[in-house]
Amino acid sequence: EAGVTQSPTHLIKTRGQQATLRCSPISGHTSVYWYQQALGLGLQFLLWYDEGEERNRGNFPPRFSGRQFPNYSSELNVNALELEDSALYLCASSPVGDTTSTDTQYFGPGTRLTVL
Amino acid sequence: QQPVQSPQAVILREGEDAVINCSSSKALYSVHWYRQKHGEAPVFLMILLKGGEQKGHDKISASFNEKKQQSSLYLTASQLSYSGTYFCGTEVSGTYKYIFGTGTRLKVLA
Repeated sequence: EAGVTQSPTHLIKTRGQQATLRCSPISGHTSVYWYQQALGLGLQFLLWYDEGEERNRGNFPPRFSGRQFPNYSSELNVNALELEDSALYLCASSPVGDTTSTDTQYFGPGTRLTVL
Repeated sequence: QQPVQSPQAVILREGEDAVINCSSSKALYSVHWYRQKHGEAPVFLMILLKGGEQKGHDKISASFNEKKQQSSLYLTASQLSYSGTYFCGTEVSGTYKYIFGTGTRLKVLA
């Protein structure tokens, strides 16, 4: 079974540009989560998508946005990039996004975004 | 607010035991534990739901005290492969937000 995949592996942008990161969940998983992991810091919850809808978002400005496609893959868009956006962005998927939260989140390898 | 993990870092010799704690200021519905090796994505270890359950597999186990809003991860007879950063991931009761702890760096020496 293929795991969560993310692309690109590395992304280098300059301040003010836009970045688009992509995630493909494990087949059969409908929920996709995005996290930011800045160097030396813990995982910060960004966004949760389930069945094509945004279910929740963390404490990030509106320039962080995304969407989930009918095939459950997802995009994370970061507009007006700032230097502090440099981080590893992790995507995770789980089978069902419901209130029980008993589902394991499976992480992808991440996209390393560097803002110069 | 991010759950606080303690200790921040620990160095062990192979075969020694360790305990990693995760403490939240909010009521929790569940706690997940992950291990992340340098340069890799986090790997799920186990999930604990409110109810004070304790889980374990192999030589890694965990407990969850919902009243104290705390969880502990127990590593016994540590192996070199246990090295990495351990994160607790928490779901605050009544929300769908996952908040990860501050992380604990664990290094096991031969």
